[in-house]
Amino acid sequence: QSVLTQPPSVSGTPGQRVTISCSGSSSNIGSDYVYWYQQLPGAAPKLLIYRNDQRPSGVPDRFSGSKSGTSASLAISGLRSEDEADYYCAAWDDSVSNRVFGGGTKLTVL
Amino acid sequence: QVQLQESGPGLVKPSGTLSLTCAVSGDSISSNYWWSWVRQSPGKGLEWIGEIYHSGITKYNPSLKSRFTISVDKSKNQFSLKLSPVTAADTAIYYCARGAVVKPFEYWGQGTLVTVSP
Repeated sequence: QSVLTQPPSVSGTPGQRVTISCSGSSSNIGSDYVYWYQQLPGAAPKLLIYRNDQRPSGVPDRFSGSKSGTSASLAISGLRSEDEADYYCAAWDDSVSNRVFGGGTKLTVL
Repeated sequence: QVQLQESGPGLVKPSGTLSLTCAVSGDSISSNYWWSWVRQSPGKGLEWIGEIYHSGITKYNPSLKSRFTISVDKSKNQFSLKLSPVTAADTAIYYCARGAVVKPFEYWGQGTLVTVSP
């Protein structure tokens, strides 16, 4: 049972826009930044979004993050087949002094 | 270009000790970053184990702290993870990562699979 709750799976067709939600509480998302990681099949995770909505250099602007209260979202527009991956949200949790991850969402591009 | 490479035994016996090393290249282990370990059980999500600063300051996942030890070796520009005693539940891919307060886990190693089995 993850501290941050994500849908197990989402899907979309090429060119479509999809969103992945991440729900937490006042001790994590409500009081800290949210980070998003992309894990392609068989690969290590990659930092996709930091501090809620910032993209590291090299990450396409098709990826965007947002946060409101104790929830956050990752949006992917202009969906491509190479976006098929697992996506994880993360935050620091003050109540347990722990970096916590969501359970991950598998994105399927139909 | 920062690169991290995990190394260690792929098979460990139950109740034994798991020792992994993360070699860092393209950056100094003494730079202003946190050096972390994250694991992923087969088919499961990510779990933060802990991290260390070059000064030796460590932070651990409270639910795992008592079994894990993270250390740094500045002379070899690497940091290490020890876990003891291991159980089958510790079977996972172990990743090392570099991060900062602003960008946790910005760079990752490729990961190394550790299987706990008799």
